[in-house]
Amino acid sequence: SQQGEEDPQALSIQEGENATMNCSYKTSINNLQWYRQNSGRGLVHLILIRSNEREKHSGRLRVTLDTSKKSSSLLITASRAADTASYFCATDEVPSEKLVFGKGTKLTVNP
Amino acid sequence: DTAVSQTPKYLVTQMGNDKSIKCEQNLGHDTMYWYKQDSKKFLKIMFSYNNKELIINETVPNRFSPKSPDKAHLNLHINSLELGDSAVYFCASSQRPARGNYGYTFGSGTRLTVV
Repeated sequence: SQQGEEDPQALSIQEGENATMNCSYKTSINNLQWYRQNSGRGLVHLILIRSNEREKHSGRLRVTLDTSKKSSSLLITASRAADTASYFCATDEVPSEKLVFGKGTKLTVNP
Repeated sequence: DTAVSQTPKYLVTQMGNDKSIKCEQNLGHDTMYWYKQDSKKFLKIMFSYNNKELIINETVPNRFSPKSPDKAHLNLHINSLELGDSAVYFCASSQRPARGNYGYTFGSGTRLTVV
């Protein structure tokens, strides 16, 4: 199975600004998940959106899913320096039930 | 209280050696995974076990052999290590099917360096 693609590969913003990351994928999915990875650390699950959902919120995170376009976006509002990390989308594929990761977006939030 | 713990955190070894990485989860999840993250940060699934049964076995050299003695443990044994095996290996666990908003829980990784 092919990995999804995140866009952009790297994003640099100022504290307080919003950050938007996009993800495209190619297969049918059960759900799509977003993860954060701080440098040298493991991945932390942020949010899961099911294939029959279109939008989900969690704190400062907003995720959208468009299954017709096979795309998702992650919006982080009012960013903080502590949000600096790599962000990965991952698709829970049908029928293999593998969780396939995209290539990631490296977000830098400057204080 | 670590949810998914893997050991060792760092592993430096010579080509040709055999090594093992251990993983344990205390979340009561029924499925465990091994992922490999290369130097470009690409994460690729290697294996998945559900209740001690192998359910995903990607195209991985047969020098890599997972072993799951029970549903809380998934170990990875690597024979005849090669330079190209150098990477960070992550263990993860989840409940299948996904419940609520819960995704995978990852360990902190094992950085394997083959010299």
